[in-house]
Amino acid sequence: EDKVVQSPLSLVVHEGDTVTLNCSYEVTNFRSLLWYKQEKKAPTFLFMLTSSGIEKKSGRLSSILDKKELFSILNITATQTGDSAIYLCAVDPRSELTFGTGTRLTIIP
Amino acid sequence: GAGVSQSPSNKVTEKGKDVELRCDPISGHTALYWYRQSLGQGLEFLIYFQGNSAPDKSGLPSDRFSAERTGGSVSTLTIQRTQQEDSAVYLCASTPIAGELFFGEGSRLTVL
Repeated sequence: EDKVVQSPLSLVVHEGDTVTLNCSYEVTNFRSLLWYKQEKKAPTFLFMLTSSGIEKKSGRLSSILDKKELFSILNITATQTGDSAIYLCAVDPRSELTFGTGTRLTIIP
Repeated sequence: GAGVSQSPSNKVTEKGKDVELRCDPISGHTALYWYRQSLGQGLEFLIYFQGNSAPDKSGLPSDRFSAERTGGSVSTLTIQRTQQEDSAVYLCASTPIAGELFFGEGSRLTVL
């Protein structure tokens, strides 16, 4: 059975801190790993990772994939209150994505 | 519109009633997904439509759930004889290629 595990489940930090969110997976026929940010009801796409060791960056956010150890991390530097959200990791083994339960990130001003 | 559109945004119903949730995907997107998100849970896959292929219904939790996609565009998720455990946010997503999903705002279903 395909499985995606995210940690920590919840994280509270002060504005300006750097955070690292973790996602480990066990799937057959891995194709890609995706990160989403969910603030209200609809997740918004952040990154798609298909190759090991290649960092993807978007502003203060970055992510990297390790296909040997079967995990990915999402880094957020100089956090802002607008970064408060649930961050979802998903893996695409076949047609449908398998999602983790997410990490709830809260940034305290 | 430019994005995935879902309706209704909120639905409150009584236990035992049937409900229909609608999803209008982004024009040209061939794949459409339905997910369910219960309080404190991750996204649970329900059903997947790809072009004219038979849908992947492997995520539907019971035979009270069904979905169709007419003309390769609009999709309707139907829940018959609703139960309280059906209360959740139902999210629809579409994609032109496998992987990157574009989500709608969801339909929040509350079964009393």
